[in-house]
Amino acid sequence: EAQVTQNPRYLITVTGKKLTVTCSQNMNHEYMSWYRQDPGLGLRQIYYSMNVEVTDKGDVPEGYKVSRKEKRNFPLILESPSPNQTSLYFCASRPQGAGYEQYFGPGTRLTVT
Amino acid sequence: AQSVAQPEDQVNVAEGNPLTVKCTYSVSGNPYLFWYVQYPNRGLQFLLKYITGDNLVKGSYGFEAEFNKSQTSFHLKKPSALVSDSALYFCAVRDNSGGYQKVTFGTGTKLQVIP
Repeated sequence: EAQVTQNPRYLITVTGKKLTVTCSQNMNHEYMSWYRQDPGLGLRQIYYSMNVEVTDKGDVPEGYKVSRKEKRNFPLILESPSPNQTSLYFCASRPQGAGYEQYFGPGTRLTVT
Repeated sequence: AQSVAQPEDQVNVAEGNPLTVKCTYSVSGNPYLFWYVQYPNRGLQFLLKYITGDNLVKGSYGFEAEFNKSQTSFHLKKPSALVSDSALYFCAVRDNSGGYQKVTFGTGTKLQVIP
């Protein structure tokens, strides 16, 4: 089954404790992206990647890191999480070409205390 | 800079009535426009898109949307609402000029279909 998977689905952590949210897709998509969803703000793009070793900032990259060492994986790293990063995070992928729609993962709900 | 506006936080409609969820956009070039739906505790699912061609686009679950370039709008419509259509709907835009790859989402509109 074609899908985007994220782990963990739920995470509660404390301020400053490094964490990684994994994202993997099995559709051989070149483009992958991370979003955060907050009430009243919709989805905001954090980082995106056009292909292996090619990443770029989205609209809200501060406090986040990403890497793309393999085509299928695009982990999101929070080096020192803060409470304002409490949010619902989505990973998405699509084929190369801007006219394609994105396929979204199920989401990761992160709480930073 | 590109932007998307969904002016209504919530839309209520009776089952069987037509529904409209509004979306307006702003891009410097020509737009690619998308609608996604999010059911509770789920990720976003693609509904339909406008890339080029016919201004009326048909998508999944009986939804359609009309691209109006002069009004910079891309409203989502359905002739007869179902209770199961109740969900959060997002409009998104991407500028198709110059290889620009960022996509911008609206803030979402909650659709409530009342039995």
